[in-house]
Amino acid sequence: GENVEQHPSTLSVQEGDSAVIKCTYSDSASNYFPWYKQELGKRPQLIIDIRSNVGEKKDQRIAVTLNKTAKHFSLHITETQPEDSAVYFCAATLGRGNTPLVFGKGTRLSVIA
Amino acid sequence: KAGVTQTPRYLIKTRGQQVTLSCSPISGHRSVSWYQQTPGQGLQFLFEYFSETQRNKGNFPGRFSGRQFSNSRSEMNVSTLELGDSALYLCASSSRGQTEAFFGQGTRLTVV
Repeated sequence: GENVEQHPSTLSVQEGDSAVIKCTYSDSASNYFPWYKQELGKRPQLIIDIRSNVGEKKDQRIAVTLNKTAKHFSLHITETQPEDSAVYFCAATLGRGNTPLVFGKGTRLSVIA
Repeated sequence: KAGVTQTPRYLIKTRGQQVTLSCSPISGHRSVSWYQQTPGQGLQFLFEYFSETQRNKGNFPGRFSGRQFSNSRSEMNVSTLELGDSALYLCASSSRGQTEAFFGQGTRLTVV
C-alpha cells in the first residue's frame, strides 16, 4: 500500500521567512497530492493540491511542487505570518484515481513574531 | 451546504467496552473515510466506504469495523476497547476520487 513520509516533524521560522515541508510517497500510481492545515482544536482543511500531470501550483503565498520521477512533493510558504502556525499534513491517493488519502505524520510549523 | 457532521464529539469509555461513532457526510458525497489521529502518528487510515461497500481498509485489527447506509451516513465500531484506542477519530467525505476530502470535527474517544 501507499506510504507517505513527511519531514520535518517540527519547523520554527521567523515571521517573514519562508517555510518548506517535504514529502515522499511510495506508490507510483498515486496521482493526487493535497496539503491540509490543522489549527489547534480544529479539523484539517485543504489549503492546496496538485495532480500528477502538473509540476507546480501556486496560490498567493503558498506553492506546491511535484517530482513524479523522484516521488516527492513539497509545500512552500513564503512571507510567513503568525497565523500560518499550525500542523500541516501532506497526503497522496491510495493508487490511481481512488480515494482514500494516505497522510504523512504532519509538520508542526511555528512562526515566531 | 451543511458540512460533515460527527457525533458524539466526546466519549469516555472503559477498557473492554465497545463504542459506535457516527458520521454524516456532505449531501451528495458517497465516499466516507475514517482516520485515527494520535499525537506523533498523524492521521492513520482506518477504512473507506463507497455506496455501502467497504472499498479500502487500513492496517488496523478486526476490532475496528464500520458500515455505510443507503443515505451515505457511516458508522464505525470499536469492540473490546483498549487504552491505546484513545484518539481523535475523524471522518472525511468526498464526491469522487482525486477531489477534496472534507473533514468532520471528529470524535474524541478516551478509554480509561
